[in-house]
Amino acid sequence: DTAVSQTPKYLVTQMGNDKSIKCEQNLGHDTMYWYKQDSKKFLKIMFSYNNKELIINETVPNRFSPKSPDKAHLNLHINSLELGDSAVYFCASSKGAAGNTIYFGEGSWLTVV
Amino acid sequence: DQQVKQNSPSLSVQEGRISILNCDYTNSMFDYFLWYKKYPAEGPTFLISISSIKDKNEDGRFTVFLNKSAKHLSLHIVPSQPGDSAVYFCAAKVSAGNMLTFGGGTRLMVKP
Repeated sequence: DTAVSQTPKYLVTQMGNDKSIKCEQNLGHDTMYWYKQDSKKFLKIMFSYNNKELIINETVPNRFSPKSPDKAHLNLHINSLELGDSAVYFCASSKGAAGNTIYFGEGSWLTVV
Repeated sequence: DQQVKQNSPSLSVQEGRISILNCDYTNSMFDYFLWYKKYPAEGPTFLISISSIKDKNEDGRFTVFLNKSAKHLSLHIVPSQPGDSAVYFCAAKVSAGNMLTFGGGTRLMVKP
């Protein structure tokens, strides 16, 4: 059973398009995250939600909008995609807002052409 | 400004020998540290962690050492196995918060 699952795993799209990446966790966690791994392979947090409420919003363009319909889901919508948005996006979850161990999904490879 | 640094981008070790992966941090507020392992095309997998109240934590073949005064931690893998070949990320956080700050990763290659 996949604990943190995200879809799609691979996505190739044109500049200017709007796309979404979905994430679901079945661990019963109440905190979910989106991380971005850029071309230099650094993993950086984008957003964090606890019980459907936004608690971390790093410096991310407002073209990126997370949506959490419930505690088990955190979707990432990206509007007006740009070439620089090409990256691997990882969804993650943890127990509690200060959960010390964060569990990651397998990643979504986004390529903007 | 990288608060967590892994200065060795890669490391090659012979099977059966010890692998030592290093990590340095600059933020003295960090008090919880983790190591993640990542295979290609997969997400990072939690490996082992340590709180700042300890200087060593062991789990099977994996041991993490923390030197708070030097702001340095290391991961020891003994004995190393070919299946350990992966990218290892060091991460740090303030335990009261939930934001992990990652290092850039070290690619470990264990040769049979």
